[in-house]
Parts: sequence; C-alpha cells; structure tokens
Amino acid sequence: EAGVTQFPSHSVIEKGQTVTLRCDPISGHDNLYWYRRVMGKEIKFLLHFVKESKQDESGMPNNRFLAERTGGTYSTLKVQPAELEDSGVYFCASSQAFNEGLYGYTFGSGTRLTVV
Amino acid sequence: EDQVTQSPEALRLQEGESSSLNCSYTVSGLRGLFWYRQDPGKGPEFLFTLYSAGEEKEKERLKATLTKKESFLHITAPKPEDSATYLCAVQADAGGTSYGKLTFGQGTILTVHP
Repeated sequence: EAGVTQFPSHSVIEKGQTVTLRCDPISGHDNLYWYRRVMGKEIKFLLHFVKESKQDESGMPNNRFLAERTGGTYSTLKVQPAELEDSGVYFCASSQAFNEGLYGYTFGSGTRLTVV
Repeated sequence: EDQVTQSPEALRLQEGESSSLNCSYTVSGLRGLFWYRQDPGKGPEFLFTLYSAGEEKEKERLKATLTKKESFLHITAPKPEDSATYLCAVQADAGGTSYGKLTFGQGTILTVHP
C-alpha cells in the first residue's frame, strides 16, 4: 500500500508569508496526526483528526496555525503569517482505529519548513 | 504532563558490539510505549509497541523490554545498517477507542562502525 505522502518536502519562505503543507494519509486511515520537530527538540504533537473532525488540537502553538481535513481524506496545515520560530520539520502520521498498537502510526517523510 | 527522557543522546559502537538504549517515562496511565527508528530525511518507522511491565518484543537484532518506569532497546551484534536515530514515545490512556497522541523523547543517535 502507498505510504503517507507529504508535500512539499522543503519550503523556504520569508517571515510574514503564508505557507500551506499538505498530507495524504494511507487510504482508509481515519486517524490523521500532525507533529513538528523544532531544531534540537523532540517531536511534538500538534493535532489529531478523526475523519474530518478535530479530536485533539491541544498542541497547536497559536492561532497562526490552521489545520483542515475536508472530506476526511487529505489534510492541510496552513501557517499565516509565518514567524522565524515556526521553522522545523512537520510530520504527518496516520493510523487505522484499533490497530495503532499492532502496526504503530505510519509517518510521512516530513516537510522541512525554513522561515527567513 | 507526560514526559519521556532517552539516554544516551548519542552512542557509537563497533560492529558486533552489543549495547542498550534507555527510555525513562512518566505518564498518567500508560496505554502503550512505542519504539521507532528514524533515518536522515525520513519519517519515524515503527518498530515495537509494549503495553505492560515485563513485556518483551524482538525483531532481528533488536529486543525491547518494559518496566513500570523505563524501557530498554537492546541491540545485539549491531551492523552498520542499524545506524539511525531511535525514538521512544508513550501514549497515555485517555479513554475512548482511538489511541491518540504520542509524547516523544529526543532520541538516541546510534552510529555503528564497520
């Protein structure tokens, strides 16, 4: 089966601009997660979708970040306006309900965002 | 707040030299402890899930064990291709049927020299 696909793989934008990251989960996976790794820090949770609904958005840093998952398929994460501290690698992961323990979460390769 | 601490931060081994990585955790009710492997430029790749103290799982040269406070990833006779960052993550028991978010440690960078 195809894995989790993220694009772009890299993005360099200027402070104040807008960037939209996209994640295509594995087909049939209802659960979709966004995580972020800032330089020198651990991977941190941002939010969790179950189908098109936000199950948990406790990790979203502020209201400059907007995540959507229309139709319960792909998801987008928009940063507007971008700040220097938003630089990092943004990972998307997906899973089937009830199978997370057996198969874990499947992660994409990430989008490396650099804000200059 | 759930916390995960991994040690050492980096580990250099000679091929064939066995060792262990440590993952200490505090969590409000453990639902699962996950081990992942991450190669440069890639996303984390699932290795194991452990659920309760005393549980062990093996995959090729890797064996993961779990106690009430920590988990170990034992690497037996490593090869250069085992070089990667190894990540530990915990999932708290928040109720419901969906597992929910992972809390990660910073990882251990393992380098195996031929």
